[in-house]
Amino acid sequence: NAGVTQTPKFQVLKTGQSMTLQCAQDMNHEYMSWYRQDPGMGLRLIHYSVGAGITDQGEVPNGYNVSRSTTEDFPLRLLSAAPSQTSVYFCASSYRPYTEAFFGQGTRLTVV
Amino acid sequence: DAKTTQPNSMESNEEEPVHLPCNHSTISGTDYIHWYRQLPSQGPEYVIHGLTSNVNNRMASLAIAEDRKSSTLILHRATLRDAAVYYCILRPHLNTGTASKLTFGTGTRLQVTL
Repeated sequence: NAGVTQTPKFQVLKTGQSMTLQCAQDMNHEYMSWYRQDPGMGLRLIHYSVGAGITDQGEVPNGYNVSRSTTEDFPLRLLSAAPSQTSVYFCASSYRPYTEAFFGQGTRLTVV
Repeated sequence: DAKTTQPNSMESNEEEPVHLPCNHSTISGTDYIHWYRQLPSQGPEYVIHGLTSNVNNRMASLAIAEDRKSSTLILHRATLRDAAVYYCILRPHLNTGTASKLTFGTGTRLQVTL
């Protein structure tokens, strides 16, 4: 049972490039979320989804797009990378909104 | 969202109990108290949660004050592997999308020494 899988683990982008961070879960969870964590800070919510076809913005959505075409996958797209998006990104999923959330191992992104 | 307050850091000796406090004076009736921890270079990991009664699981115990305005995470015998940042988070027990959001503060960094 893999849980929540994020790829890639590390990525370096140039300013202005676009890319997609992948997140997949095999637990049939309806609820999925993306967070970012900057040095010395707690996690901040970027976008979340309550099921296939339904997404909503979190605390810091600017510069990011999401879509949810399947229950398993919840990719995060950076449209035009900026140095301010240098961070560690975590994907999470849960069965119900109030139940235990499972997190991936994170993607460390550097934008130069 | 209701706010939680935790000490920035705590230290413990290995094999001794650790009590990690959390204040949440504005907690509402539907809020559960959740604890997560984040080991170095890893994603957060669920530890325990509770509503009113004290809770135990294989990782820890959660003691909740009678007025629910504070709680304490108890690690019965700290090990070096317990060195992490511990987050106390309030989550409404509602079946809505917004309830799925986890609001992380800066947490308590626990150092465990030999």
